[in-house]
Amino acid sequence: DAGVTQSPTHLIKTRGQQVTLRCSPKSGHDTVSWYQQALGQGPQFIFQYYEEEERQRGNFPDRFSGHQFPNYSSELNVNALLLGDSALYLCASNPWTGDNTEAFFGQGTRLTVV
Amino acid sequence: AQSVTQLDSQVPVFEEAPVELRCNYSSSVSVYLFWYVQYPNQGLQLLLKYLSGSTLVKGINGFEAEFNKSQTSFHLRKPSVHISDTAEYFCAVTLAWRDFNKFYFGSGTKLNVKP
Repeated sequence: DAGVTQSPTHLIKTRGQQVTLRCSPKSGHDTVSWYQQALGQGPQFIFQYYEEEERQRGNFPDRFSGHQFPNYSSELNVNALLLGDSALYLCASNPWTGDNTEAFFGQGTRLTVV
Repeated sequence: AQSVTQLDSQVPVFEEAPVELRCNYSSSVSVYLFWYVQYPNQGLQLLLKYLSGSTLVKGINGFEAEFNKSQTSFHLRKPSVHISDTAEYFCAVTLAWRDFNKFYFGSGTKLNVKP
């Protein structure tokens, strides 16, 4: 079992550009959540996808959007990048029908905005 | 609103010494409690979790945590640390029966084990 996989591992973008990050959930998991971890801080919830719909959203602007595909994989898109968007972006997966007790996290994508 | 406070941003400790990493939470509803570990350039790995029942929870790598409802705390302990325990530790909560699998994290505690 490959667990949760994210790509790319590292990414450098320029202010104002757009970026897409990708996540493949753990086998058997159909729900994907995205978190932003700024330097020196804990992860913050961005949003969650299940059945190709956004189910929950944290306090992030509309520049942050996502998508889930029929195979449960997911993308995080960020438009009009700001320097403050530099962070580690973590993807987490879990089965929707499971209890509310655990998420499996990927290794993350380190985004640097210059 | 929910919040998680980790009182120590950094904890230096010598190898084989005991350690306690402190975590307090605030919530108006019942929560589940977790500790995750993050090694450099890696994602989060679950150490242990408290859902219900016994307030003393044992996890992987010799760690344990105790849930104290009256003090709204969930401190993480290890009786004897190793160099390999050097990492950042995050306390987190989810709401019981709501906001399915949405985690609220503390700001983390960096554990630095010295030889």
